[in-house]
Amino acid sequence: QEQLVQSGAEVKRPGSSVKVSCRASGATFSTYAISWVRQAPGQGLEWMGRIVPFLDITNYAQRFQGRVTITADKSTSTAYMELSSLRSEDTAVYFCARDANPRVLDSWGQGTLVTVSS
Amino acid sequence: DIQMTQSPSTLSASVGDRVTITCRASQSISTWLAWYQQKPGKAPKLLMYKASTLESGVPSRFSGSGSGTEFTLTISSLQPDDIATYYCQQYKNYSPPYTFGQGTKLEIK
Repeated sequence: QEQLVQSGAEVKRPGSSVKVSCRASGATFSTYAISWVRQAPGQGLEWMGRIVPFLDITNYAQRFQGRVTITADKSTSTAYMELSSLRSEDTAVYFCARDANPRVLDSWGQGTLVTVSS
Repeated sequence: DIQMTQSPSTLSASVGDRVTITCRASQSISTWLAWYQQKPGKAPKLLMYKASTLESGVPSRFSGSGSGTEFTLTISSLQPDDIATYYCQQYKNYSPPYTFGQGTKLEIK
């Protein structure tokens, strides 16, 4: 199973941006997509978007369009999720996951807690 | 977007019980459905994909069925290690956006 390693916890002010990283293996980057999923405290899972690094294709959930940007650095096999115009409701654990047909989200990062507070 | 509805939201059962969780899609998704198990403070773990294919390493007491709009996850004999929250997720035609059910919290009676 692939090991995805995410960056550490962040505390941000309302209105600012956060950028979370997710490092994978080179094999993953050349074969799989990377999805981002978030989970607010005590709540369920919410898919945010994904990137297919070897095709440079991104897809975003409608509710995050315009606020989220997912990128990938193929030289370091690292995916990034940047969320802007942060508000308190964005306080959540953000996960990256390997994404492939048909096993979809089969390996997950450890999660990154983003706290938005003034 | 396709909406996913799980039931029940909470389920209390005894060790050894047969447990069933249901997931309904707002439109047909064929068998493009996955199930995940999540324990507190941990990332979700893939249990099942394409509605009924068991992920490698997952105990055989877990099974999945269904197609179209109605799906079930069954645990044939509940074990203490199965205490977790379970989520279904649709990924129709492997085409985003993906959507999750709201989750079913499984507790020991």
